Amino acid sequence: DSGVTQTPKHLITATGQRVTLRCSPRSGDLSVYWYQQSLDQGLQFLIQYYNGEERAKGNILERFSAQQFPDLHSELNLSSLELGDSALYFCASGPGPLGEQYFGPGTRLTVT
Amino acid sequence: GESVGLHLPTLSVQEGDNSIINCAYSNSASDYFIWYKQESGKGPQFIIDIRSNMDKRQGQRVTVLLNKTVKHLSLQIAATQPGDSAVYFCAETAWFGNEKLTFGTGTRLTIIP
Repeated sequence: DSGVTQTPKHLITATGQRVTLRCSPRSGDLSVYWYQQSLDQGLQFLIQYYNGEERAKGNILERFSAQQFPDLHSELNLSSLELGDSALYFCASGPGPLGEQYFGPGTRLTVT
Repeated sequence: GESVGLHLPTLSVQEGDNSIINCAYSNSASDYFIWYKQESGKGPQFIIDIRSNMDKRQGQRVTVLLNKTVKHLSLQIAATQPGDSAVYFCAETAWFGNEKLTFGTGTRLTIIP
């Protein structure tokens, strides 16, 4: 158990819908990273927050947004969902702006 | 665009032997590199990292080597065990400048008992 929690574990929704994925980092960690993993795209870095501020942005679509709250938990919002958004979404946390990361169990999103 | 690539998609190694997983990167501005491990059905796991001011860094049974001249990164796993069977990803970024992490496609390592 990494200490990082993600909810929900599974999510099934229809195209065009909007969902919110939640991540609670390990106690004391200031960084939160979001990743997407699909069969045809491999592991993709989406975005990183450090102490409430966006630190780095990766291959995150404009339909997606994220934020880190004052209590350091983070949410990833996915809107206007398409079939191709079906994937595993991982959150990771770490103590610093870079360095060791601890991954959560992931949220499996299925868009039908 | 810039990309990180892995030389071999699959690698099989006899249990107890050492394994080497290679990774090439193309962004000369990258100065921070990470290796991740992902076992079947599980999330990724951070293994080891290295900054460009180092050529070598050792962890528990793992060593990462960085050759900046040829933009090459390798992960050596000593005395492999069945639990080392997994997909290994390398990733690159810049320590400063808030750059994104760019991942390679992954190498599947299979340990043969």
